[in-house]
Amino acid sequence: DAKTTQPTSMDCAEGRAANLPCNHSTISGNEYVYWYRQIHSQGPQYIIHGLKNNETNEMASLIITEDRKSSTLILPHATLRDTAVYYCIVRVLNSSYKLIFGSGTRLLVRP
Amino acid sequence: GAVVSQHPSWVICKSGTSVKIECRSLDFQATTMFWYRQFPKQSLMLMATSNEGSKATYEQGVEKDKFLINHASLTLSTLTVTSAHPEDSSFYICSAPVVSVGNEQFFGPGTRLTVL
Repeated sequence: DAKTTQPTSMDCAEGRAANLPCNHSTISGNEYVYWYRQIHSQGPQYIIHGLKNNETNEMASLIITEDRKSSTLILPHATLRDTAVYYCIVRVLNSSYKLIFGSGTRLLVRP
Repeated sequence: GAVVSQHPSWVICKSGTSVKIECRSLDFQATTMFWYRQFPKQSLMLMATSNEGSKATYEQGVEKDKFLINHASLTLSTLTVTSAHPEDSSFYICSAPVVSVGNEQFFGPGTRLTVL
């Protein structure tokens, strides 16, 4: 699986949009971009995934660049409960391949 | 969505004892489950892949005789930490892929192990 790089930490104000970047310059054509988050002392939670088109669900939006070498997870109106570590992972869809977690981005949402 | 549970949620044990952690898929069947370990302020580290009806596959550097994995049914995998030592104190998390949603992985809530 392609490797990803993310900033170590970020912060944003409550109610504002949180934009979390991820670089995956070695991504291959059949690899999807997945985002998970982990709130302190809990198991990771799936957020969203995409291949090349932008995706949106009730939790977030995923913007993938045209060359697919980077992506941005957007939390449109961050709340204090969004404070967590966010992981960007690339993997092949429909494989039972294991997930390899990088160091992630620690997002702090400020009141 | 699919639910994965773990039991116990936390455990404290004495050095030298063995501890068993259970991972269950509550509303789906899982022929494969994954076990992770997470130390404070660090990322999740994959320990092993648990396979129903066959031997587990361990990641490099993980001692298979110390971390015994048994996947006896399609809904249960167990991780036994044998002869636990303080350095085994960690947060243990399991996950399972759900075939019906493109093998999306669902994670358990984790088990915090403290070895005195």
